[in-house]
Amino acid sequence: SQQGEEDPQALSIQEGENATMNCSYKTSINNLQWYRQNSGRGLVHLILIRSNEREKHSGRLRVTLDTSKKSSSLLITASRAADTASYFCATDRSYNNNDMRFGAGTRLTVKP
Amino acid sequence: DTGVSQDPRHKITKRGQNVTFRCDPISEHNRLYWYRQTLGQGPEFLTYFQNEAQLEKSRLLSDRFSAERPKGSFSTLEIQRTEQGDSAMYLCASSPDGTVREQYFGPGTRLTVT
Repeated sequence: SQQGEEDPQALSIQEGENATMNCSYKTSINNLQWYRQNSGRGLVHLILIRSNEREKHSGRLRVTLDTSKKSSSLLITASRAADTASYFCATDRSYNNNDMRFGAGTRLTVKP
Repeated sequence: DTGVSQDPRHKITKRGQNVTFRCDPISEHNRLYWYRQTLGQGPEFLTYFQNEAQLEKSRLLSDRFSAERPKGSFSTLEIQRTEQGDSAMYLCASSPDGTVREQYFGPGTRLTVT
């Protein structure tokens, strides 16, 4: 079964706007990661946040983690048409961190 | 290109046939993972190798599925007696040892069972 659940399932915005995607999970984790997948391609790692971190930045990406609520958010600022993709959160369970679980993803469309 | 590669990229087969996919991970990565992804869903974990040892298998990996990594380098995933429900994208990923588990994905093999 999927560990992470992304929300919303789909998001459509104009270029230049910010995009926020959320992820909820069920069990304790070591790390939470966000990946991007362009249509029909493999996944690309974006950012990893450890369970003892609350916020992390990478370029136009900002990730937050709230372990008490078992949730994370990914913010993409000043979006570009090239950001159009599916975004997945992935968690590795703290007792078995070989088994990474992905959510169903958020499909982001950035209109030029 | 030193990324993860997969072969073939596309495979169309008839129900009941056997298929085999290959994954070549990044050369210095000891860990190798197989996932299955259906349309509109995220990747589902199938199995994991540490070097040549298969350390974990998902319940999704029925007895028709077998994976190997004989020399701790490339890996193969075989599906015997394919069923239409096996149609999916099969993704391979690798990662180095250590506590950080960022995974590097290949482009995937899209399987269509007719």
